Amino acid sequence: KAGVTQTPRYLIKTRGQQVTLSCSPISGHRSVSWYQQTPGQGLQFLFEYFSETQRNKGNFPGRFSGRQFSNSRSEMNVSTLELGDSALYLCASSRVAGASTDTQYFGPGTRLTVL
Amino acid sequence: DQQVKQNSPSLSVQEGRISILNCDYTNSMFDYFLWYKKYPAEGPTFLISISSIKDKNEDGRFTVFLNKSAKHLSLHIVPSQPGDSAVYFCAASGRGSNYKLTFGKGTLLTVNP
Repeated sequence: KAGVTQTPRYLIKTRGQQVTLSCSPISGHRSVSWYQQTPGQGLQFLFEYFSETQRNKGNFPGRFSGRQFSNSRSEMNVSTLELGDSALYLCASSRVAGASTDTQYFGPGTRLTVL
Repeated sequence: DQQVKQNSPSLSVQEGRISILNCDYTNSMFDYFLWYKKYPAEGPTFLISISSIKDKNEDGRFTVFLNKSAKHLSLHIVPSQPGDSAVYFCAASGRGSNYKLTFGKGTLLTVNP
């Protein structure tokens, strides 16, 4: 079974631009969560989608948004990029949402650098 | 407010010895705990988990211990191997609105040959 895939793997943008990252979950998984990893803060939860609906949201500004499609693929968008948005963005999929015991499987991440 | 804390940013161990990684949490609503391992340029990989109804869970060389009264858990790796060198993240989740995973900042384990 194929794992979680994320595209692109690397991205360089400049301040003020916007960016869209893509995530394809494991086949049969309907929940997709997004995380931001930075050296100082570790992994921080951005949001979770299930059945095309946002189920949960972390403490990030409105510049960070996402969506999920009917095939469970998900995209996240960051508008008006700031230098502090430079990070590894990780996507994780699980079978269901809202089940604390349902293991999340992570993709390799997208490394975003904002200049 | 950091609800899951890994106070040791790094740990160095000799091959064949025991590695002990520690994690503390503050949210009493957490009832499920996980450890993930992460190699550079890869996403975190699920390693082992434990429910709050247990105090120990074992899987091969990996054992997780949970002390609910102290809000503390630890991951033991015995024997440690060079391939275990990675960043280890502790994560926790709970029921209701706490179901999303909350991660610690990670501990870099280096196993020296």
